[in-house]
Amino acid sequence: EIVLTQSPGTLSLSPGERAALSCRASQSVRNNYLAWYQQKPGQAPRLLIFGASSRSTGIPDRFSGSGSGTDFTLTISRLEPEDFAVYYCQQYDSSPTFGQGTKVEIK
Amino acid sequence: EVQLVESGGGLVQPGGSLRLSCVASGLTFSNYWMSWVRQAPGKGLEWVANIKQDGIEKYYVDSVKGRFTISRDNAKNSLYLQMNSLRAEDTAVYYCARTQYLRYDAFNMWGQGTMVTVSS
Repeated sequence: EIVLTQSPGTLSLSPGERAALSCRASQSVRNNYLAWYQQKPGQAPRLLIFGASSRSTGIPDRFSGSGSGTDFTLTISRLEPEDFAVYYCQQYDSSPTFGQGTKVEIK
Repeated sequence: EVQLVESGGGLVQPGGSLRLSCVASGLTFSNYWMSWVRQAPGKGLEWVANIKQDGIEKYYVDSVKGRFTISRDNAKNSLYLQMNSLRAEDTAVYYCARTQYLRYDAFNMWGQGTMVTVSS
């Protein structure tokens, strides 16, 4: 099983600031089979990024993904009020697993 | 409207059974691998099971093998999860999710979830 570790656990930022969220895998994720999701309270997750760097349909370009192998990053270039949420990474190189999440909160 | 709608959750005693359903609309349901993903209260996401388009291939997370069964009825655009021998640790919101293309892939459509509580 590939274990994903996200950091930090909580990120306190102000609107307009840049956010960088990390996801580290316990072994290499082949073919960059890594996705990122956003989840707001009481809602289902929403796919943001797949294939480590491809934006899903309708996702604003302030969201970008990068990385390969064991280290991946989700970057939000300028935080909008609606971006404060919990973010999860997920690998699908093998039986799917998720990271524990990073909460982006308003500072 | 393209959507997935789950139902069937509720309160059940340890050792009991429950059957979840998910109805798809606005999409060609039979074209996709489908999954169940769960989220315990205040916790992260856990993939539970998936099923191939033809309903033949099925895969499960180790913690539910032998207790849960995933199935589908393409004629009814429906996905199911039969849950037996339920344990307290199965308490979670259960989401139906559409897999993008492959057996293991990103989940690009989710239902709103149905809550399962296992408690005496």
